[in-house]
Amino acid sequence: QKEVEQNSGPLSVPEGAIASLNCTYSDRGSQSFFWYRQYSGKSPELIMFIYSNGDKEDGRFTAQLNKASQYVSLLIRDSQPSDSATYLCAVKSSASKIIFGSGTRLSIRP
Amino acid sequence: DARVTQTPRHKVTEMGQEVTMRCQPILGHNTVFWYRQTMMQGLELLAYFRNRAPLDDSGMPKDRFSAEMPDATLATLKIQPSEPRDSAVYFCASGSLPDRVYNEQFFGPGTRLTVL
Repeated sequence: QKEVEQNSGPLSVPEGAIASLNCTYSDRGSQSFFWYRQYSGKSPELIMFIYSNGDKEDGRFTAQLNKASQYVSLLIRDSQPSDSATYLCAVKSSASKIIFGSGTRLSIRP
Repeated sequence: DARVTQTPRHKVTEMGQEVTMRCQPILGHNTVFWYRQTMMQGLELLAYFRNRAPLDDSGMPKDRFSAEMPDATLATLKIQPSEPRDSAVYFCASGSLPDRVYNEQFFGPGTRLTVL
C-alpha cells in the first residue's frame, strides 16, 4: 500500500461545476496535509494546507480532512479551464517527512 | 521577488558522465529538499537539509548520488556516474519554520535531465 494514494484520473469536469479530488494516507500519526497544483511542465505550487479535522475554505477552494478515515479532499467550486492541472496531495508524516501522492489530473471542459 | 532558482534548467548528457545540479533557496529559508519527478514514480523525496545539515537522504541511491549544502545560499545534487534511468525532472524546494506543524515548501523551476 502506498503511503499517499490518489486516483490518477483524468478527472473531467464541466466548466462551472464542482471538482472533487480525493486522497488517502496510511500513517495515522500524520500531522498536516497539503494540496499542490502543478501545470504541465511547471513546478508544484501550494494552494491549500489543513491540519485540523473539518473544512477549510479559501476562495473557490475547500480542503476537507477526516483523520479518523485517513482521508483528505479538495473541492474546487465554479471550475474554470485554468484549473486544468495535476493536483498533488502531500502529507507530513509522523516522522516529519513530507510524502507526495502521484497526483490526479484534472481537466475542465468548456 | 523571492523564489528558488535552479541551474541548469535542462541537461542532456551521456551515460557515465557526472552531472551537477545547483539550487539557490529563498533567502532566510533553512530547509532545503531535493525531489525527483518521473511519470512512473511521481514526486520522490531524495534528500532533505535543515540548517545546511543533511537530515534524511534515504530516498537517494547512495552509490551514485550525493547532496551537499556548502553554504546557506547553495545546495548541490551530484550524480556520478549517471545512468539512463536517472532521466527525470529534479526539483529543489525550500521552506522555513521546520518545527511547526505547517511546513510549506516553495519549489524551484526544476532541472530536466536526460541521460542518453
